Amino acid sequence: NAGVTQTPKFRILKIGQSMTLQCTQDMNHNYMYWYRQDPGMGLKLIYYSVGAGITDKGEVPNGYNVSRSTTEDFPLRLELAAPSQTSVYFCASRTSGQGNTGELFFGEGSRLTVL
Amino acid sequence: AQSVTQLGSHVSVSEGALVLLRCNYSSSVPPYLFWYVQYPNQGLQLLLKYTSAATLVKGINGFEAEFKKSETSFHLTKPSAHMSDAAEYFCAVSLPRSYNQGGKLIFGQGTELSVKP
Repeated sequence: NAGVTQTPKFRILKIGQSMTLQCTQDMNHNYMYWYRQDPGMGLKLIYYSVGAGITDKGEVPNGYNVSRSTTEDFPLRLELAAPSQTSVYFCASRTSGQGNTGELFFGEGSRLTVL
Repeated sequence: AQSVTQLGSHVSVSEGALVLLRCNYSSSVPPYLFWYVQYPNQGLQLLLKYTSAATLVKGINGFEAEFKKSETSFHLTKPSAHMSDAAEYFCAVSLPRSYNQGGKLIFGQGTELSVKP
């Protein structure tokens, strides 16, 4: 069982560069999420999606964009990288079939450093 | 809007001692509450959840938590700590679908648990 797969696991960017973090899940989950984790801050929601073609902003969306063309994939794009975007990024998914009580399944994270 | 607060960013216990990690929530409607664990360099895994059934919830690895509405708390406990329990623990809150169409979880700041031999 692959679950939620994120790539790359590590990346170093220069200020102003752009990149896409890839996320794919094989559980046929409708709900997908991107969080960032910073020390002492917990996880902050960047963007989420309730199904293919539907995305919405979370708590900290500035500097990021997402798309959801298929159920499986939910890439996160960073435009014009800034040092404040240095973080660990987690993709997660859950089924929509249990109300909002279902478990959130996480990828292993992508550690991004912007220099 | 809902939120969670975890008291203590770092907790240290001796092996065999009681583990108590504190979580308080704020919500205008009855919430769903979760505890997740994160081992080093890994994603988060669900430990247990409260979804308005029994107020005392048992999870994996001997952990349990009690939902106390009067105290707006959902503290995580384990009677006897093991070295393998060393990790970071996150409390999270969600609301029923009628209030939260996207199923979003809001996380607390996390508590790092250290276990001394």
